[in-house]
Amino acid sequence: NAGVMQNPRHLVRRRGQEARLRCSPMKGHSHVYWYRQLPEEGLKFMVYLQKENIIDESGMPKERFSAEFPKEGPSILRIQQVVRGDSAAYFCASSPEQGARNNEQFFGPGTRLTVL
Amino acid sequence: GESVGLHLPTLSVQEGDNSIINCAYSNSASDYFIWYKQESGKGPQFIIDIRSNMDKRQGQRVTVLLNKTVKHLSLQIAATQPGDSAVYFCAENSGGSNYKLTFGKGTLLTVNP
Repeated sequence: NAGVMQNPRHLVRRRGQEARLRCSPMKGHSHVYWYRQLPEEGLKFMVYLQKENIIDESGMPKERFSAEFPKEGPSILRIQQVVRGDSAAYFCASSPEQGARNNEQFFGPGTRLTVL
Repeated sequence: GESVGLHLPTLSVQEGDNSIINCAYSNSASDYFIWYKQESGKGPQFIIDIRSNMDKRQGQRVTVLLNKTVKHLSLQIAATQPGDSAVYFCAENSGGSNYKLTFGKGTLLTVNP
């Protein structure tokens, strides 16, 4: 059973470009979470999605950032008009259901975004 | 704002010694706590968790202690091995949330052979 997959693993963008980060949850998982990690910081919650629904986006900046989890395909975190401050590692996690036995979220390897 | 934080940013131990990593949390409504291990270039890996109705939980070579009175959490690693070298994060379910995790800044554990 493959784990959470994220791609690309590394992404370099120039200021003003768009960044698209993809996340495929573990098989059988229908809940996806995105976190951002700045250097030497802990992970910060951004958004929680279920298939075709955004449940909680309270941690996501109101402008330039958007997320989706379509019925088919991976979850996408999209950052428009990137700025240097967007440089970070973006982690996706998945779980089989909310409130699962241990609330355990399984994390992917992350996408490291560098904005030049 | 409420947050989870760590007392020690770095910890260096000798192989075979026991390691203790500490964490303070401030949200008294949180009732679920997790320790994650993050190796360089990888995502966080679940180590052990504990609910607020417990004060101790043991796994394989790891023990988590929870002191709700002082809002303190610790991770004990027995017979630390070089493969344990990583950054360790404590996390809490923010205010009792079923899904939103709040992470501390992390402690870098270095195990010297």
